[in-house]
Amino acid sequence: AQKITQTQPGMFVQEKEAVTLDCTYDTSDPSYGLFWYKQPSSGEMIFLIYQGSYDQQNATEGRYSLNFQKARKSANLVISASQLGDSAMYFCAMREGPRAGSYQLTFGKGTKLSVIP
Amino acid sequence: ETGVTQSPTHLIKTRGQQVTLRCSSQSGHNTVSWYQQALGQGPQFIFQYYREEENGRGNFPPRFSGLQFPNYSSELNVNALELDDSALYLCASSSGTLYGYTFGSGTRLTVV
Repeated sequence: AQKITQTQPGMFVQEKEAVTLDCTYDTSDPSYGLFWYKQPSSGEMIFLIYQGSYDQQNATEGRYSLNFQKARKSANLVISASQLGDSAMYFCAMREGPRAGSYQLTFGKGTKLSVIP
Repeated sequence: ETGVTQSPTHLIKTRGQQVTLRCSSQSGHNTVSWYQQALGQGPQFIFQYYREEENGRGNFPPRFSGLQFPNYSSELNVNALELDDSALYLCASSSGTLYGYTFGSGTRLTVV
């Protein structure tokens, strides 16, 4: 079974509108972390937001928020007030543990977001 | 502080050859991980180094090997290149916090 599932290969959003990118995960580890990264065409993975499994509140970072529903094992990214520069690939990732010194991330297949003027 | 730097940015190799990719970690980061990202896919974990020792490995064959140096920079070596090794190779460094990963821009390897 896939550990990270992103069901939307591509999404379109109008500039200044909000958009939700879906992510579901699968783990039996009670301690884990969930990440969202943005990857523009240049290739660099840009960290957006992090949610720990024990965090009580949903994470927010500026225009990014993470809708964390632990029982449903979902961690959707919400981008508010979309900008043209938000057009990129978006990846959901999970770190299981922590185990001693292990920082392995498991990524989903990504969602390509296109912002329309 | 400087970020993660990878070199070269692009590389073309012939099947059967060997390649070495390099990564300079972000200052203060003692853990480095390597990922392979095939076209249209998410990155896949290759292995991780902590204080010059490999301490985690994904599902990659032994012809993928690495090194970490005392200054925490790192190399990824791939022997006997295959066409399927064509991918973007990403390096990520961490200071040891649970979410403190910094990625480089990657090396795009093409095997012909």
